[in-house]
Amino acid sequence: GAVVSQHPSWVICKSGTSVKIECRSLDFQATTMFWYRQFPKQSLMLMATSNEGSKATYEQGVEKDKFLINHASLTLSTLTVTSAHPEDSSFYICSAVLAGGNGELFFGEGSRLTVL
Amino acid sequence: GDSVTQMEGPVTLSEEAFLTINCTYTATGYPSLFWYVQYPGEGLQLLLKATKADDKGSNKGFEATYRKETTSFHLEKGSVQVSDSAVYFCALYFGNEKLTFGTGTRLTIIP
Repeated sequence: GAVVSQHPSWVICKSGTSVKIECRSLDFQATTMFWYRQFPKQSLMLMATSNEGSKATYEQGVEKDKFLINHASLTLSTLTVTSAHPEDSSFYICSAVLAGGNGELFFGEGSRLTVL
Repeated sequence: GDSVTQMEGPVTLSEEAFLTINCTYTATGYPSLFWYVQYPGEGLQLLLKATKADDKGSNKGFEATYRKETTSFHLEKGSVQVSDSAVYFCALYFGNEKLTFGTGTRLTIIP
């Protein structure tokens, strides 16, 4: 099956620094990728839809200047958490749609961010 | 708005026990319903799905039936194994590639 890989799987950073999380589709091309966030004991919440070669579409309430998304190629999308603060600590998951497929989503393993 | 309510975990069962993880949803219209599973260190994987009322999705011994009258999609398995230990997510989908997830239920099976 199609594989999506995220890196890093976990990261600890100091408050005020920026952190980049990568999402790669390893064996297929993905025109669309999604970024989700999960707080403890809460649902996975969709943050934004990332389309290759265009600006990301953010869900209501998500700060686009805080969470920078770049989808520069058909196999890579990045999420940069800028000037991270402890409240940004969370579990971030990406998913990708197989180009030309039936719309099935393939998920990465997730990245846990801890901001001290 | 659309939402999914899932049984709170964690759930701990002995091997060969019967499993039920409850899932109910609120939506306008008739979504497709999914169960995803996340094994330790891996991404979410589609476990099973149902696209219309009374459909039954099944895979790896797991089953779930789309019940329109109770807006439910409960996950069941007759005899769980240690390898079933994972986090299970219920989700609904309207075909716009955006999934609405439940909170996830962590299942631990002890030998």
